[in-house]
Amino acid sequence: GIQVEQSPPDLILQEGANSTLRCNFSDSVNNLQWFHQNPWGQLINLFYIPSGTKQNGRLSATTVATERYSLLYISSSQTTDSGVYFCAANRGSGGSNYKLTFGKGTLLTVNP
Amino acid sequence: GAVVSQHPSRVICKSGTSVKIECRSLDFQATTMFWYRQFPKQSLMLMATSNEGSKATYEQGVEKDKFLINHASLTLSTLTVTSAHPEDSSFYICSAQTGTGVTEAFFGQGTRLTVV
Repeated sequence: GIQVEQSPPDLILQEGANSTLRCNFSDSVNNLQWFHQNPWGQLINLFYIPSGTKQNGRLSATTVATERYSLLYISSSQTTDSGVYFCAANRGSGGSNYKLTFGKGTLLTVNP
Repeated sequence: GAVVSQHPSRVICKSGTSVKIECRSLDFQATTMFWYRQFPKQSLMLMATSNEGSKATYEQGVEKDKFLINHASLTLSTLTVTSAHPEDSSFYICSAQTGTGVTEAFFGQGTRLTVV
């Protein structure tokens, strides 16, 4: 199956700083998603981005499918951005390829 | 986005008892739902794929007789942890996709199971 690697594993920022989280995947993908896991455990959908660039407020994401990586940008970080960010992908070409494989996550801590 | 509702959010049970967790897609039909397990400070690990009207597909190493999955309708999948033991204590979370093929996945709120 597909392998998903995220970096860095941990990131500590001061409020107001910008950050970039990276997700590498081992094979071509038809589905790539970024999530934020809140303190209660729920996964919040940030981006569904198998290719291209999207922006939503202070967050944006870019996936370069041909080079097998995706980046999540957080600008002007706030303490409420703290938590774990997951990248997940699948090949989506049928059968078991619809299963999402998750990276290990990036633990982001934003200090006031 | 689509809404997936999972209940209960938290449950404590005694060793040897069974616990049922429900996962519902509220505003869409889901022919396929997925069940994950997450240990503290770790990533999500897929346990099984729940298929409406047919048997679930379990990942390697997951005991199908312990984790019973039923997907009786296009909006409901259930996970039953049978004869629970303390090592089954974990965070269980379900997801559903909004259609067949390559589509965005949405997740339930998760269920924190504690077996005492």
